[in-house]
Amino acid sequence: DVKVTQSSRYLVKRTGEKVFLECVQDMDHENMFWYRQDPGLGLRLIYFSYDVKMKEKGDIPEGYSVSREKKERFSLILESASTNQTSMYLCASSLSHPGDYGYTFGSGTRLTVV
Amino acid sequence: AQSVSQHNHHVILSEAASLELGCNYSYGGTVNLFWYVQYPGQHLQLLLKYFSGDPLVKGIKGFEAEFIKSKFSFNLRKPSVQWSDTAEYFCAVTSSGTYKYIFGTGTRLKVLA
Repeated sequence: DVKVTQSSRYLVKRTGEKVFLECVQDMDHENMFWYRQDPGLGLRLIYFSYDVKMKEKGDIPEGYSVSREKKERFSLILESASTNQTSMYLCASSLSHPGDYGYTFGSGTRLTVV
Repeated sequence: AQSVSQHNHHVILSEAASLELGCNYSYGGTVNLFWYVQYPGQHLQLLLKYFSGDPLVKGIKGFEAEFIKSKFSFNLRKPSVQWSDTAEYFCAVTSSGTYKYIFGTGTRLKVLA
């Protein structure tokens, strides 16, 4: 069974901390994505990567950065966590363009910034 | 502007009732349409998708959706819901060759046993 694995299910961090969210996929997918999911707002794309070391901003990149050093791993970095970044973060991957193939999602990391 | 509207935010049904969840979109060009489902405590998973051809598409677990181009709609249906269909459902629109989706805000369905 193909998988997208997010390293933490729940995280609690303090304001101002640097936070790393890790995501690994075992499907040899080219593309990886980070979304945040908030009630009433649906899913919003933060960043995506279509190749190793390549990244593109999504719709809400402010306050975030990403790293993709290996094909299977895509990290989301909150440089200085703030309370408005409390959210559910979803990692996803796709074989090619997700418009053609759809996403495979991870189980999510619920981040609370206090 | 590109957008997806899911007008029903919360739906409560009894088992065996019929389900229809609305999805309307605003998107230029040829569209690919998706429904994803998130069961409690689980990851989002693909329920069904429409790219072209027969506008009535069937997905997993007895769900189906109909693409009506003239109405810019892609409503999700199931003739008889079960308690296990309790979940959040997301409609999404995109197009071929693109990396970005436009997701709706989701509909929370609760099915009473």
